[in-house]
This record gives sequence, structure tokens and C-alpha cells, in this order.
Amino acid sequence: EAQVTQNPRYLITVTGKKLTVTCSQNMNHEYMSWYRQDPGLGLRQIYYSMNVEVTDKGDVPEGYKVSRKEKRNFPLILESPSPNQTSLYFCASSLAGYGYTFGSGTRLTVV
Amino acid sequence: KNQVEQSPQSLIILEGKNCTLQCNYTVSPFSNLRWYKQDTGRGPVSLTIMTFSENTKSNGRYTATLDADTKQSSLHITASQLSDSASYICVVSERGADGLTFGKGTHLIIQP
Repeated sequence: EAQVTQNPRYLITVTGKKLTVTCSQNMNHEYMSWYRQDPGLGLRQIYYSMNVEVTDKGDVPEGYKVSRKEKRNFPLILESPSPNQTSLYFCASSLAGYGYTFGSGTRLTVV
Repeated sequence: KNQVEQSPQSLIILEGKNCTLQCNYTVSPFSNLRWYKQDTGRGPVSLTIMTFSENTKSNGRYTATLDADTKQSSLHITASQLSDSASYICVVSERGADGLTFGKGTHLIIQP
């Protein structure tokens, strides 16, 4: 089944403790992207990648890092999480930026 | 700055009734417009994708329209069901550019 898989689904962590949210797709898509969703603000893009070893900042990249060493994986790294990064995170992939498939989401709480 | 405005912000209707959700955008040059359905706490799922030349596209009980001249789109839901309760997000892509512009969504509640 074609899908985008995120892990974990839920995560509670403490301020400053580094964490990684994994994202993997099995559709051979070039384009992958990370979003965060907050009440009243909608989905906002954090980082995106057009292909392996190519990443770019989205609208809200501060406090986040990404890497694209392989086509299928696009992990989101929070080096020093803070409470304002408490949010619902989504990974998405697409073929040439046309049809997007979203993961099921990761609900992150930073205390 | 590219913007996508959706209305209404929220809507409550009775099961079996029809409803129409609106999306206005300023994205230019336009590439395509998508409607997504997002169940609470889940990832958005694509309903339709419309390009510049398409005026109407249906997916079951969902019908999307696009007027590229006025930069407006609508999503019409026919004979609503309880499972239609969700947020509906309008997303517009700019031709030749990376990334998408998201609307904030319409939160639809279907009551029995």
C-alpha cells in the first residue's frame, strides 16, 4: 500500500532533550515536506526537500533540522525542543509536487 | 503574499443536507488547487485536484468547482453523512514555485 509512515504517533518530552521524528514513504517520490499544525493557524511548512541531499526552509524552520540522505526517508530533528514546538506534525510526499500524500501525524508535547 | 481564505470557518448541518464550502485565493501564477479532508488528529486526505482548465470535478458526493478568473473554488457536499464531519482544507499551488499555500480550513460538523 502506498503510504507515508511517521513515527512516533505521540511523543511527550522535556525541554532541551533532542528528538527525531521519522518519516518514510514507499512511493519513490522526489518531493517530501514537513508541516506543523496549530489551532487557528492551519498547516505551516517547516522544511521541504526536492530530492536526495536537497533541502530548503519553509515558512517556520527555526528550531528544526532535516536531512535527506535517502529518497524514502526525511527525518525531522529537534535539537533542543521548547514548549512552543508543542504541535501536531505531518510529513508529506509527492511526485513532482502534484498529488500529495500525508502521513498520519505526530502529536508532540514539550514540557 | 499568496493567501488562501476559506469560509465559513465552521459549519453545522443536519445529516442528509447539502452544503457548500468556499475558497478564495490570491496565488499567482496559478498551478492547481486541491481540496483535502482531515479527520481530527489524522493526516489530510486528498479529495480533488483541479488545474487551470478544469471547472468541475466530482469524487462521489463531493463536487469541486473552480473559477480561475475570479480565483474562487467551492466544495459541494451532497446528502451529508455523519462521516463527513471533518476539517476541509483548500490548498493552492503556484506555478513554477515550490511549496503550497494552505487555507485554515472549514470545520464541518454533521448532526444526526
